[in-house]
Amino acid sequence: EMQLLESGGDLVQPGGSLRLSCVASEFSFSSYAMSWVRQVPGKGLEWVSAITGGADRTHYADSVQGRFTISRDNSKNTLYLQMNSLRAEDTAVYYCAKDEGRWGNVVGYFDLWGRGTLVTVSS
Amino acid sequence: DIQMTQSPSSVSASVGDRVTITCRASQGIRNWLAWYQQKPGKAPKILIYAASSLLSGVPSRFSGSGSGTDFTLTISSLQPEDSAIYYCQQANTFPFTYGPGTRVDVK
Repeated sequence: EMQLLESGGDLVQPGGSLRLSCVASEFSFSSYAMSWVRQVPGKGLEWVSAITGGADRTHYADSVQGRFTISRDNSKNTLYLQMNSLRAEDTAVYYCAKDEGRWGNVVGYFDLWGRGTLVTVSS
Repeated sequence: DIQMTQSPSSVSASVGDRVTITCRASQGIRNWLAWYQQKPGKAPKILIYAASSLLSGVPSRFSGSGSGTDFTLTISSLQPEDSAIYYCQQANTFPFTYGPGTRVDVK
């Protein structure tokens, strides 16, 4: 069964850093673009960042541009999100999501999601 | 950024009822729209992509339509397990954006 498993969420102080990981299993990871989507508990969804299957292109929401970096290691079937200069408004559950598009391009339809990992930014 | 709105914000209906949710984009997005279902404590699940294409395994009582700026998600015969929040999302332009969600309660 295809699966995504996030980890790395934690309580961090404002201005701090955190790296999230997402391990994929049972599908050809390098063939698909991946995204991070976040959700403040009890609130709506916000797309954060995307990366192509070959890691040649990345995209970011304005709210995280310059602070977050998405990357992937296809040899380890793992997606990452490096989060720097964290703010209280970054507090959310972070989901990794597989893009539905074939050939590794970002299409923007997410057909497989992990369970999420909670990031709390607070002093 | 493209703003997505949804109406109604919540709906309560009985088993077997037909339920329609509307999603509107602030500018044209052709048919680059998806619908997701989210149940409490769970990740979202995609139901429909490209405005009207049903994902494999999704019950046929779900259907989507529309293009440009106006879209609808219809549940033709509401079932107890359809109680959830439904989100639309545009994939036409970065950044991808979501509607605020519609809560569907089954009486």
